[in-house]
Parts: sequence; C-alpha cells; structure tokens
Amino acid sequence: GESVGLHLPTLSVQEGDNSIINCAYSNSASDYFIWYKQESGKGPQFIIDIRSNMDKRQGQRVTVLLNKTVKHLSLQIAATQPGDSAVYFCAEANSGNTPLVFGKGTRLSVIA
Amino acid sequence: DAGVIQSPRHEVTEMGQEVTLRCKPISGHDYLFWYRQTMMRGLELLIYFNNNVPIDDSGMPEDRFSAKMPNASFSTLKIQPSEPRDSAVYFCASRLGGGKNIQYFGAGTRLSVL
Repeated sequence: GESVGLHLPTLSVQEGDNSIINCAYSNSASDYFIWYKQESGKGPQFIIDIRSNMDKRQGQRVTVLLNKTVKHLSLQIAATQPGDSAVYFCAEANSGNTPLVFGKGTRLSVIA
Repeated sequence: DAGVIQSPRHEVTEMGQEVTLRCKPISGHDYLFWYRQTMMRGLELLIYFNNNVPIDDSGMPEDRFSAKMPNASFSTLKIQPSEPRDSAVYFCASRLGGGKNIQYFGAGTRLSVL
C-alpha cells in the first residue's frame, strides 16, 4: 500500500534574508522551551532556550519569541546562511525534570 | 567532552535477528533518553533513566524492545526479534538533572531490518 510520510512544513529562504520558523505548543502548563537544529545525518543540536517568564531571548544570529497567550513560539534567524539548512524542532517541558516534548519540525532550505 | 556517543552508526540486519544499540552519555549527566525517529512518526521518546533507574518506559513499542543502564556511563537498547517496521534512526540523549532541561543528543544509529 502507499505509505504516508510525515509532511514537514518547509520554509525556503534566500541566502542573506531573515528566516522565521513558527511552532505552536500544546500544553499551557509548559514553562520551558527549546529550539533544536537537526542537520542531515546528525542528531538534534541545541540552539537556544527560553523560560516562560520571558517573551524574548537573543543569541548569536538567533532570537526566540514566546507568546504564552496563544501558545506560540518562533525562531528568527538573521542573515540566513547555507549552513542553516536543516530541520528545526521546538520542544516544551512543564517542570525542570520532565522529558521534553518535541514538535514535528520544520525544514529550512536556504537558496544560495 | 566527546558528547553522547552511540554505536554502531549503522546497522543492517535480517528480520528475526537480535539488535543491540549502545550509548555512552556525557560524563556526569544523570538522565539518559532513548528516542526513535521515523518519517511516519517523527521523534518519539521510548524510555528514559534517572541515575541508572528506568523512570518511564511507556514509549517502548512492545515487549520486543528492552533497555538497560547497568552503570552511569553505559546504556543499551535491545530489539529481539527485530522486524522490518523497526527500521528507523535511534537516538540517545543525556542531560544533567537540576540544571537547565537541555538534552544533548548523540549522532544516532540508523537501523535497517530487511
């Protein structure tokens, strides 16, 4: 029979432009959020995190925005580079030691 | 630190054979997680350990799957007998309890069951 794969949302961005990857989380009790990057053939790699008492956090070329009212998380990548091409996952947790719950992921393709 | 180390990187086996995947967590980390990643289901948590004790194995698909952590620096995930539907990439991750809830992943084991 025909197999149905997980259709990842895909974002195609021109090199040098800014990228915005969105994530809707499910648990209103979640108080900690992380973005991971997974390149082809590798494991997920930590990018940036944010606690629920913040609505914005900046790293190197990346910014995470948190809107708790609508349970939405976004990752902004400035001046997107070919090396940013990967699948990006958001993850949430609702206490310090509970396992992370991962979203389905978004594939970012950077057009040179 | 070398990070989380998984072996083998690739495993090809025949249906019915036993498969053992290995993981060495980051030294000092007291949590260890096993995940399975497929196109169909994404990244699924199978089981996790705290201080070598299994805490939640509700994600283990069936009795053919078992995991052990005999000491703080080693864990195994075993599939016996293996089936073609077990084909996936299996990841191990570890983290330090009490600190930030950041899991560090290994490079994964790509399993193909023919």
